[in-house]
Amino acid sequence: EAGVVQSPRYKIIEKKQPVAFWCNPISGHNTLYWYRQNLGQGPELLIRYENEEAVDDSQLPKDRFSAERLKGVDSTLKIQPAELGDSAVYLCASSGNLAGGAEQFFGPGTRLTVL
Amino acid sequence: QKEVEQNSGPLSVPEGAIASLNCTYSDRVSQSFFWYRQYSGKSPELIMSIYSNGDKEDGRFTAQLNKASQYVSLLIRDSQPSDSATYLCAVNRDDKIIFGKGTRLHILP
Repeated sequence: EAGVVQSPRYKIIEKKQPVAFWCNPISGHNTLYWYRQNLGQGPELLIRYENEEAVDDSQLPKDRFSAERLKGVDSTLKIQPAELGDSAVYLCASSGNLAGGAEQFFGPGTRLTVL
Repeated sequence: QKEVEQNSGPLSVPEGAIASLNCTYSDRVSQSFFWYRQYSGKSPELIMSIYSNGDKEDGRFTAQLNKASQYVSLLIRDSQPSDSATYLCAVNRDDKIIFGKGTRLHILP
């Protein structure tokens, strides 16, 4: 069974430019998460989807970040415009239960560098 | 007080010995607990989950949970160089997973 797929794996952009990340969760997993991980820190939740509904976006900086999961499967996370402090690894995870506390499986992540 | 606290390490353990990783959490209503392993430059990989007080064993790994003390630990028996990684403790609070900063483990050959 394929795991969580993310693309791109690496992205380098200049500040003020837009960037988008894509995630395809494990087949059949209804819950999808986007995390940001800074060096030496644990992942921090940005947004959680149950099917196509964003049930927790309290940590998403809504002035510049947006996300969508239109058909309850793939998801896209966008930053516009990017700032230097957005440099981090962006992780997507999925779980099979309709609860935020279920076991999560992570994709390989996208390493973003903002210059 | 941080919600999930771990000693950042590095924790150095001789090969073949037992590595003991500890984690404390602040919210008593936390319901489920997870240990993830993260190799440098890689994403977190789930290795153990535990939901009730006591011990849970899986191969060389044992997770221990004490809800009264708000404490969860991971023991790795017969440590191998391949166990060298950062170990992240994660706690479910109100359907939200909160991660600690992780403990760096170094197994000495």
